[in-house]
Amino acid sequence: QSVLTQPPSVSGAPGQRVTISCTGSSSNFGAGHDVNWYQHLPGTAPKLLIYGNNNRPSGVPDRFSGSKSGTSASLAITGLQAEDEADYYCQSYDNSLSGSVFGGGTKLTVL
Amino acid sequence: ELQLVESGGGLVQPGGSLRLSCAASVFTVANNYMSWVRQAPGKGLEWVSLIYSGGSTYYADSVKGRFSISRDDSKNTLYLQMNSLRAEDTAVYYCARVLPTLRGDYFDYWGQGTLVTVSS
Repeated sequence: QSVLTQPPSVSGAPGQRVTISCTGSSSNFGAGHDVNWYQHLPGTAPKLLIYGNNNRPSGVPDRFSGSKSGTSASLAITGLQAEDEADYYCQSYDNSLSGSVFGGGTKLTVL
Repeated sequence: ELQLVESGGGLVQPGGSLRLSCAASVFTVANNYMSWVRQAPGKGLEWVSLIYSGGSTYYADSVKGRFSISRDDSKNTLYLQMNSLRAEDTAVYYCARVLPTLRGDYFDYWGQGTLVTVSS
């Protein structure tokens, strides 16, 4: 049971927009900690996608965007492409656990 | 380009020990916060341990007292000493550079991971 809750899977057709939710609590998002998002293809290094709720590292397409409100956050991907098929994880800091916490991950399937 | 390369994984019996290494290039491990994160088979990512540039260390409750994070500044390498290993420690272990902010840390560069299997 992950501290941050994500849907196990989402899907969309090429060109469509999908969102992935991440629900936290008063000890992480509600305490003012930011959400960060990672893209992970099995067998490869996870890649930072969004940091500080809505900031993209250099090289990440602007098709990816993030938001956070209260104890919830979301990642939006527009103009879906086949290469976006991967696992996506949200991450934050938790005061109760005194460490970083991740969501359980969401598998994105591009139909 | 900044690179992290893990090594040291393998098959170990329950109760055994293993030391993982993470060699860094382009940046200096000692000047950065560094972490270990693992992924058990079929599961999500789990933060394991963190070391500050000043040397302070932190651990997830699941490994506290059994794992130890350290670094060798002369080799620009991060380590994870794992003792009293259990079947539930079976996972791919990633090292990652940590960027601290006032509103929580995030991991900006990751290695490819090294597989640890704990089984008799």
